Amino acid sequence: DTGVSQDPRHKITKRGQNVTFRCDPISEHNRLYWYRQTLGQGPEFLTYFQNEAQLEKSRLLSNRFSAERPKGSFSTLEIQRTEQGDSAMYLCASSRDGQTDTEAFFGQGTRLTVV
Amino acid sequence: GQSLEQPSEVTAVEGAIVQINCTYQTSGFYGLSWYQQHDGGAPTFLSYNALDGLEETGRFSSFLSRSDSYGYLLLQELQMKDSASYFCAGPSGGSYIPTFGRGTSLIVHP
Repeated sequence: DTGVSQDPRHKITKRGQNVTFRCDPISEHNRLYWYRQTLGQGPEFLTYFQNEAQLEKSRLLSNRFSAERPKGSFSTLEIQRTEQGDSAMYLCASSRDGQTDTEAFFGQGTRLTVV
Repeated sequence: GQSLEQPSEVTAVEGAIVQINCTYQTSGFYGLSWYQQHDGGAPTFLSYNALDGLEETGRFSSFLSRSDSYGYLLLQELQMKDSASYFCAGPSGGSYIPTFGRGTSLIVHP
């Protein structure tokens, strides 16, 4: 297994445009998370999937953000009408379905710059 | 919910031992994890403590005291490559979602 992969690695977009990121988790992992990270901060939780079901969504997440995991495998995160404040690293992580096991495996992230 | 507090920066010299502390407040506790992240890289898992005591993995050890809501990561025989950010994290809520502290930047000097 090649680990968690994310695409693209970098994205520069103009304010107001829509962007979509893709995450391919480790194949046997049924838990998938999206996080956002800005400079000097820890990863901030955005949303969580158990298989194809989106079970948790951060209250910080505006309605411009939407995520899907249609077949319980890869996931997409879309940001509509991007704002400069959306500039950040977007990280995807996956883990096994252990109740308290927090060994999450992270992808290299997608760095979004909104100009 | 859960909040985790750790120092923002720690400096040390090569070959030394350094301890990075983490205190947490949580409505339900399920364990404490540690992650390492180099500049421009992805966080990588280091260790997990579900019970009190010390867990050792090579040069790295992690300690947990549930009664004190406190844990630490101990790095021995520091090397330049250990310069990175270190995050404590704990599963939060009914779905046990990893919640991260703000991170400690470790700078190792020659």
